[in-house]
Amino acid sequence: AQTVTQSQPEMSVQEAETVTLSCTYDTSESDYYLFWYKQPPSRQMILVIRQEAYKQQNATENRFSVNFQKAAKSFSLKISDSQLGDAAMYFCAYRVNFGNEKLTFGTGTRLTIIP
Amino acid sequence: DAMVIQNPRYQVTQFGKPVTLSCSQTLNHNVMYWYQQKSSQAPKLLFHYYDKDFNNEADTPDNFQSRRPNTSFCFLDIRSPGLGDAAMYLCATSRGRTSGGDQETQYFGPGTRLLVL
Repeated sequence: AQTVTQSQPEMSVQEAETVTLSCTYDTSESDYYLFWYKQPPSRQMILVIRQEAYKQQNATENRFSVNFQKAAKSFSLKISDSQLGDAAMYFCAYRVNFGNEKLTFGTGTRLTIIP
Repeated sequence: DAMVIQNPRYQVTQFGKPVTLSCSQTLNHNVMYWYQQKSSQAPKLLFHYYDKDFNNEADTPDNFQSRRPNTSFCFLDIRSPGLGDAAMYLCATSRGRTSGGDQETQYFGPGTRLLVL
């Protein structure tokens, strides 16, 4: 069974600084997707970034980028120039490409932005 | 804007009184999911529909049921809510195995917070 591990329950970063959230996963599949979702307090869960496992290039979305290390089964999220609006719970998630529509979530990392 | 809508945003029910939560989508996605999320925890998948095909998770209690009368709507029925069912309930959708890109990303609604008295 696939598992997703987020070893940092809480992180904090100074506004305008850079922070990296870690995620590791375990799978025997070779074709899968990885996601980072953001859930602000009492607000909707939204997709931050997605990575296709067969693509070696790391995904980027504006200030958000990932470091995808397939062999190490690691998928970290880097947030550059942190802003107050980045404060949220961040969930790493995994999905196999074929045959299963389910997401496997990590336990989440609560990110605090210090003004 | 295309979106996932959940009503109501807050629902209060009494212990043992049946309650229905609703979800609608304008994305025309094939797959609809229901998750239960308790405070500071990851969402827990209860079940999902691929079109009309219902897929229940093995550990979802029988107290939870779902209906999907058409592509746009999906309902979560809690037949006899207990205190432990108080949680945020999230609906999500995805395109499913169709042509075109982004088949696998799930899009979430704002959730319904259920309080059981």
